Amino acid sequence: KQEVTQIPAALSVPEGENLVLNCSFTDSAIYNLQWFRQDPGKGLTSLLLIQSSQREQTSGRLNASLDKSSGRSTLYIAASQPGDSATYLCGGEYSTLTFGKGTMLLVSP
Amino acid sequence: DAGITQSPRHKVTETGTPVTLRCHQTENHRYMYWYRQDPGHGLRLIHYSYGVKDTDKGEVSDGYSVSRSKTEDFLLTLESATSSQTSVYFCAISEESGANVLTFGAGSRLTVL
Repeated sequence: KQEVTQIPAALSVPEGENLVLNCSFTDSAIYNLQWFRQDPGKGLTSLLLIQSSQREQTSGRLNASLDKSSGRSTLYIAASQPGDSATYLCGGEYSTLTFGKGTMLLVSP
Repeated sequence: DAGITQSPRHKVTETGTPVTLRCHQTENHRYMYWYRQDPGHGLRLIHYSYGVKDTDKGEVSDGYSVSRSKTEDFLLTLESATSSQTSVYFCAISEESGANVLTFGAGSRLTVL
């Protein structure tokens, strides 16, 4: 059974700080790795998708990396802002997407 | 959540009653998914569809059935709702599997009393 783990479960940082969210997966036969953002009471919004042949993807202040050999992905957020406060989930796609339980991020002004 | 709508958004029902949740998409995507999200468990796949009348089970399919008679609609049915099925249900769509972004609906909150 594929498992996806996210550490830490919660993170609190002051505005302006750079931060890294971690995602690990047990099965390296992964098609792609996706990072999502979820605001309270809302659905998930896709942030970045990294295909298995890629090592990283960037969008604005976000950079996601994928290391299949070590079973890890990281989401780097540069110069964090209070508007970045949300729960961030990663999902590893095998035949379907398996999700981690998420990291709840709070960025304080 | 452009292109994907879920209904109803909120429902309260009693144990033993049937419940149907609807997911409607306007993107003409091939794949549709039903997930449930619960504290401590995260998002878990219930069923998914890879075409009209083509469906398969996910991780937590017991007690649920699905139907897809049209590309745009994917129905999730609880034949006899139980309190353990109290959850937030999310529908998602993707053009293909393997290299396509999943787009999620806004969710349907179901409470079974």
